[in-house]
Amino acid sequence: EPEVTQTPSHQVTQMGQEVILRCVPISNHLYFYWYRQILGQKVEFLVSFYNNEISEKSEIFDDQFSVERPDGSNFTLKIRSTKLEDSAMYFCASSVESGANVLTFGAGSRLTVL
Amino acid sequence: DQQVKQNSPSLSVQEGRISILNCDYTNSMFDYFLWYKKYPAEGPTFLISISSIKDKNEDGRFTVFLNKSAKHLSLHIVPSQPGDSAVYFCAAISSGGGADGLTFGKGTHLIIQP
Repeated sequence: EPEVTQTPSHQVTQMGQEVILRCVPISNHLYFYWYRQILGQKVEFLVSFYNNEISEKSEIFDDQFSVERPDGSNFTLKIRSTKLEDSAMYFCASSVESGANVLTFGAGSRLTVL
Repeated sequence: DQQVKQNSPSLSVQEGRISILNCDYTNSMFDYFLWYKKYPAEGPTFLISISSIKDKNEDGRFTVFLNKSAKHLSLHIVPSQPGDSAVYFCAAISSGGGADGLTFGKGTHLIIQP
């Protein structure tokens, strides 16, 4: 069964450092998403991406965050200067269609900022 | 601002009995609702969904009920099995908004006891 893969599974970084989280969405999916879950809290939408540009972003997705699809397969989330409160599990997801269509999530990348 | 609320952080049910997980929402623009299931160290996986034009959707052991007037939905699992032990997230979306992100509840940890 096709799956969304994410790397790394866990990254520990110092505050102020740049972090890049990588995702390989399902090959025939056209819409890509990043969500995050801070420990003990709900899964929160960060950003959606379609046709090589951001479709929508939440208030969380400020100037410190960026997304990119550098080639035909990878979808990356970059945090320019990490803060302690960026520590969370980051989930990548993809879907065939937008809106109400079912998302397929990756297993997540745990980011720990010290 | 919790637009999707799951008021029970955990629920313990005996194997073979019915599990009922509840979810309330406040945003009347939501018109599509999904349940995701999450095991530890994995991403959320889609379980079942329902459109606001329906009040019930059934898939095997899983049934989702939607009460639009009460802005309430529930997931019924019957009979409950040990493999059902997981965190269940309720999610909602306004399908007319394009590539919008899902709004998740905080999740309910379902524990199936033998």
